Amino acid sequence: ETGVTQTPRHLVMGMTNKKSLKCEQHLGHNAMYWYKQSAKKPLELMFVYNFKEQTENNSVPSRFSPECPNSSHLFLHLHTLQPEDSALYLCASSQAGQGALKTNEKLFFGSGTQLSVL
Amino acid sequence: DQQVKQNSPSLSVQEGRISILNCDYTNSMFDYFLWYKKYPAEGPTFLISISSIKDKNEDGRFTVFLNKSAKHLSLHIVPSQPGDSAVYFCAASGPNDYKLSFGAGTTVTVRA
Repeated sequence: ETGVTQTPRHLVMGMTNKKSLKCEQHLGHNAMYWYKQSAKKPLELMFVYNFKEQTENNSVPSRFSPECPNSSHLFLHLHTLQPEDSALYLCASSQAGQGALKTNEKLFFGSGTQLSVL
Repeated sequence: DQQVKQNSPSLSVQEGRISILNCDYTNSMFDYFLWYKKYPAEGPTFLISISSIKDKNEDGRFTVFLNKSAKHLSLHIVPSQPGDSAVYFCAASGPNDYKLSFGAGTTVTVRA
């Protein structure tokens, strides 16, 4: 148990569906992240929220829409996805300072949502 | 542009032997390096880290070595155990980064 909880664990959706991924952290951290992991590829950063403010949008298509209502919760809203969007979506959190990782800081990950787009 | 590279996608080792995982990076501003371990159906969990002021950090069976001039780090697992079978990710960050840059991972299989 890392203190970061993601739901659902698995999701199958059609290209016309709208769904949301949820992440909650119980660690009192200030920063939350969405990463995408495709098979045999590096973890790819999608979004970063620091103190509820979005500090990075890593050129992610608009069919992915993040929402961070408070420092403990993070959502990823999905609509009109493509089959190539099928991947493991990982949420993470870190203590974080004013926009930067502190020295020797690490990220804590949730178990991920395995997404399949048909 | 991939700044952290793990060129060996897989590694098979016999139980009790040493596992050596390698990682190369291109960004000379990186000053903090981590290894994460990931089991199937779970998120990555932190394993061990090293800052650029050191060239070695040891934690039990796990040792990370850093060669700054070669922009290379390695993870040694001695002795390897069946429970070490997992995917290992190398990650790095620089002094003003608010994110980690990850490699593609190395799948380690420890044979009994």
